[in-house]
Amino acid sequence: SQKIEQNSEALNIQEGKTATLTCNYTNYSPAYLQWYRQDPGRGPVFLLLIRENEKEKRKERLKVTFDTTLKQSLFHITASQPPDSATYLCALQMNTGFQKLVFGTGTRLLVSP
Amino acid sequence: GAGVSQSPRYKVAKRGQDVALRCDPISGHVSLFWYQQALGQGPEFLTYFQNEAQLDKSGLPSDRFFAERPEGSVSTLKIQRTQQEDSAVYLCASSPIAGVNTEAFFGQGTRLTVV
Repeated sequence: SQKIEQNSEALNIQEGKTATLTCNYTNYSPAYLQWYRQDPGRGPVFLLLIRENEKEKRKERLKVTFDTTLKQSLFHITASQPPDSATYLCALQMNTGFQKLVFGTGTRLLVSP
Repeated sequence: GAGVSQSPRYKVAKRGQDVALRCDPISGHVSLFWYQQALGQGPEFLTYFQNEAQLDKSGLPSDRFFAERPEGSVSTLKIQRTQQEDSAVYLCASSPIAGVNTEAFFGQGTRLTVV
């Protein structure tokens, strides 16, 4: 069956450390993978998109890797800060004509001062 | 407005009641999506519009769910004869172009509670 798995437990880290979130998928062949941030009571907000032929993408303190052999994406936040606390969702896009996103369940990140 | 706007923010419906949820996408955005998000889960795709055409409705859970976008801008998601399992947050998203590899802009969602 098709699955997208993210850490189900909340990730607790200390301010200044690097947070690493994982996204593993089964029986999908995504052309693109996106990461979104979601705060309580709000809609998801786009962070980064990475293509299947890209290994790594960076934006400020964020870094995403995409390994189509392992069927895994890693999302890193360096020098994490308490305002980074949120739920982070990975989403797959297949190479079809439409842009439908298939989301994982999300990982809650808590950054302590 | 600058972002995707959804109304109402909260809706409580008695089981069996019909509800209508509204989405105002970002002006000029071609693509519009509806997603359903249960508590503690990621959003799940319901339906997709390209301008006024509904090109994918494969995620609609039953024929009680109906969506429209008659003029290619505002969209309405209608749920008939609501049931308790319909309780969820309904998210609308829009994108400026059609096709893959673009980000989606989400609204704040409508939280539907069926009692």
